[in-house]
Amino acid sequence: RKEVEQDPGPFNVPEGATVAFNCTYSNSASQSFFWYRQDCRKEPKLLMSVYSSGNEDGRFTAQLNRASQYISLLIRDSKLSDSATYLCVAPNQAGTALIFGKGTTLSVSS
Amino acid sequence: DAGVTQSPTHLIKTRGQHVTLRCSPISGHKSVSWYQQVLGQGPQFIFQYYEKEERGRGNFPDRFSARQFPNYSSELNVNALLLGDSALYLCASSWVGETQYFGPGTRLLVL
Repeated sequence: RKEVEQDPGPFNVPEGATVAFNCTYSNSASQSFFWYRQDCRKEPKLLMSVYSSGNEDGRFTAQLNRASQYISLLIRDSKLSDSATYLCVAPNQAGTALIFGKGTTLSVSS
Repeated sequence: DAGVTQSPTHLIKTRGQHVTLRCSPISGHKSVSWYQQVLGQGPQFIFQYYEKEERGRGNFPDRFSARQFPNYSSELNVNALLLGDSALYLCASSWVGETQYFGPGTRLLVL
């Protein structure tokens, strides 16, 4: 299993839709996870940290299932401005680096 | 407060040349990490430095080296450039723990 694996998409959804991204990780000892958002030709920006079972911030909800080594990101009421690539991230075993998935591309249309 | 800054923003080099990329972390952050991102992939870890010491190294050849200065800024050096080194090079800083904040990156094109 790859260290961090994501469905690359693309996900094409209309405004107002709810969309969910999934991510699996291989390091069962990882304690924290992250979702970063990356716009075209820009740097990744931290969207959410996930330290326990989940986290919610407005329209965004991240959930963690340690037994299945699975993280999800749910976006409700999608906006045009949500169009971006969403990167699932876990620390490496030594805790010295972030391991990124390939990213899931979301395109929200009007 | 200023975020992570990187220079230069863009760079064009030819095969065999060397390049030095620079990064200044967020004020107060003592850890700097370097990542390489090629098109269509997530960032790949190259190095992490903390208090001027190398704490981690990714799976990159010895042509890649880095260092951190007393003011916590950092340089990434790449020797004997190959076409495959063309990528976005990202610097990230952090204080403690694992939350890392990225700079805008240096876009390197090797011809």
